[in-house]
Amino acid sequence: SQQGEEDPQALSIQEGENATMNCSYKTSINNLQWYRQNSGRGLVHLILIRSNEREKHSGRLRVTLDTSKKSSSLLITASRAADTASYFCATNTQGGSEKLVFGKGTKLTVNP
Amino acid sequence: EAGVTQFPSHSVIEKGQTVTLRCDPISGHDNLYWYRRVMGKEIKFLLHFVKESKQDESGMPNNRFLAERTGGTYSTLKVQPAELEDSGVYFCASSLGQGDYYEQYFGPGTRLTVT
Repeated sequence: SQQGEEDPQALSIQEGENATMNCSYKTSINNLQWYRQNSGRGLVHLILIRSNEREKHSGRLRVTLDTSKKSSSLLITASRAADTASYFCATNTQGGSEKLVFGKGTKLTVNP
Repeated sequence: EAGVTQFPSHSVIEKGQTVTLRCDPISGHDNLYWYRRVMGKEIKFLLHFVKESKQDESGMPNNRFLAERTGGTYSTLKVQPAELEDSGVYFCASSLGQGDYYEQYFGPGTRLTVT
């Protein structure tokens, strides 16, 4: 499996519900970043969590990081139709390179 | 403040032709990255510039791809000659610095279609 692998691959919920997406990775990291991509558009940076952090909040977003399990979760609370997008986690791996390693993403659909 | 911009937004070329993609990073960002997503696959790193120097080009697929960043401002990515498997979306990103604290900000991407 790939570094930064998200699950589920697809998620469909009703407006107002919470959405949780998970990401697993294999190697030691400096940080983990979550991005959103609306259909046909670029990647929007959502949140960065460093390897020494366990939880971070930004508005309706909550990200957790468990380095012992090499996993992260993104929670979107009180979802809106505008949250419909693909969500990617990306890891910045320890070892000198600044490159991000992306997973395949979770496609979230929020139904009005 | 303007974000990362890319040109063109979409390019359709025939196999064997040459295409040049352009990326303008956020002003003041020394670090510039190229990534691409081919159909159904993950977004993959291509290379990283610090100012005009190539810091890491480990993701460049082969010598048909040439990236430049003369003067340390905008960057170009040339594909010559293009092959069918080069089709995908090419993203550029920039960051102010390196390390734990710096996000990479992405442009809207260039969709390349090779027919």
